[in-house]
Amino acid sequence: SQELEQSPQSLIVQEGKNLTINCTSSKTLYGLYWYKQKYGEGLIFLMMLQKGGEEKSHEKITAKLDEKKQQSSLHITASQPSHAGIYLCGADGGNQFYFGTGTSLTVIP
Amino acid sequence: DTGVSQDPRHKITKRGQNVTFRCDPISEHNRLYWYRQTLGQGPEFLTYFQNEAQLEKSRLLSDRFSAERPKGSFSTLEIQRTEQGDSAMYLCASSLNWVISTDTQYFGPGTRLTVL
Repeated sequence: SQELEQSPQSLIVQEGKNLTINCTSSKTLYGLYWYKQKYGEGLIFLMMLQKGGEEKSHEKITAKLDEKKQQSSLHITASQPSHAGIYLCGADGGNQFYFGTGTSLTVIP
Repeated sequence: DTGVSQDPRHKITKRGQNVTFRCDPISEHNRLYWYRQTLGQGPEFLTYFQNEAQLEKSRLLSDRFSAERPKGSFSTLEIQRTEQGDSAMYLCASSLNWVISTDTQYFGPGTRLTVL
């Protein structure tokens, strides 16, 4: 089965700082998704990466998928309190969809 | 259409009672997924439908759980004889594409179940 490991598990940063969240897969990824979740709410789709070496950006968030398609990173530039939440990576495991355990981000004003 | 909706948002029940949750997907989305999420964990896949057909069920979905999607539109998830371990957030998602590996899922707000 597919396993997705995220690091760090939690992150506390000062507003304005940059940060990176990593997602490592036990198998080659054929579609890697990043979602954001506010506590107690549903998931909000951020980005999907498919090709090795692919990089996508939306506002101050950039996601990359490595060439071997087994690791992805999510980078936030100049973090803001609105970036706070839980970031989850997800991927197709063949017959079902898997998520990582999540990274909890706190941004201190 | 404003997105995936779930009802109820919160449910408190006593152990042994049956509960049913509803999910309304985005119009024309042919895939519908159910997940369970406990505190501090990522969502765990339960099952998914392609139109009205239930194509995959996780081993997490015990005999007490049943999901339906009549007519390929809304879906219901029923839990019979609830146990305290069933307490979790139940998330529903829908997607449009045919190929799961490039299939963006859009999530509802979830139903939080508390079993006393």
